Amino acid sequence: QKEVEQDPGPLSVPEGAIVSLNCTYSNSAFQYFMWYRQYSRKGPELLMYTYSSGNKEDGRFTAQVDKSSKYISLFIRDSQPSDSATYLCAMDGAGGGADGLTFGKGTHLIIQP
Amino acid sequence: KAGVTQTPRYLIKTRGQQVTLSCSPISGHRSVSWYQQTPGQGLQFLFEYFSETQRNKGNFPGRFSGRQFSNSRSEMNVSTLELGDSALYLCASSSGRGRLNEKLFFGSGTQLSVL
Repeated sequence: QKEVEQDPGPLSVPEGAIVSLNCTYSNSAFQYFMWYRQYSRKGPELLMYTYSSGNKEDGRFTAQVDKSSKYISLFIRDSQPSDSATYLCAMDGAGGGADGLTFGKGTHLIIQP
Repeated sequence: KAGVTQTPRYLIKTRGQQVTLSCSPISGHRSVSWYQQTPGQGLQFLFEYFSETQRNKGNFPGRFSGRQFSNSRSEMNVSTLELGDSALYLCASSSGRGRLNEKLFFGSGTQLSVL
């Protein structure tokens, strides 16, 4: 079983829709949870950063963490074609910070104009 | 503020050769981490350097090595290249103040192709 599971997609939705992206994980020691956006031929860009369980909102983006279910989500409201990218979840803290970030393989999102 | 700069952007090498990749972190950042990204395995942690010392290492063979200079710039070296080393190599920088709660900022990567 992989430490972090993420549906690779592609996930295709019409412009303006609410997008829900998810990851599940197996290691309950993870404490920090991140979402990165990666455009083709670019490095990952940090979108959201949360600690432990709860919600965090930043503009059109909302990150949710449910540690009891080992499940994290990223919601994108009023989706735009420019949101089309690969979204990677990442986690930290299992090894006291010694193991680097553990990433999901990413979900490829397509926003249709 | 300039971001993380990686050079070169693209490299083509043949099996058995060695390669050196370079990374300049964000000004003021003292920690540099390296990751390998492939379609099959996703992003995997290679190693992290802080103040010229390797602070942590992932599960990669000894052919993968790195170093960091006093100005925080870092290089990564892969010796005796194999076909499976073809990947996007990403460098990330952070302030390095703590082991946890560090936000990583990535460069655009070096795309290495091994023929």
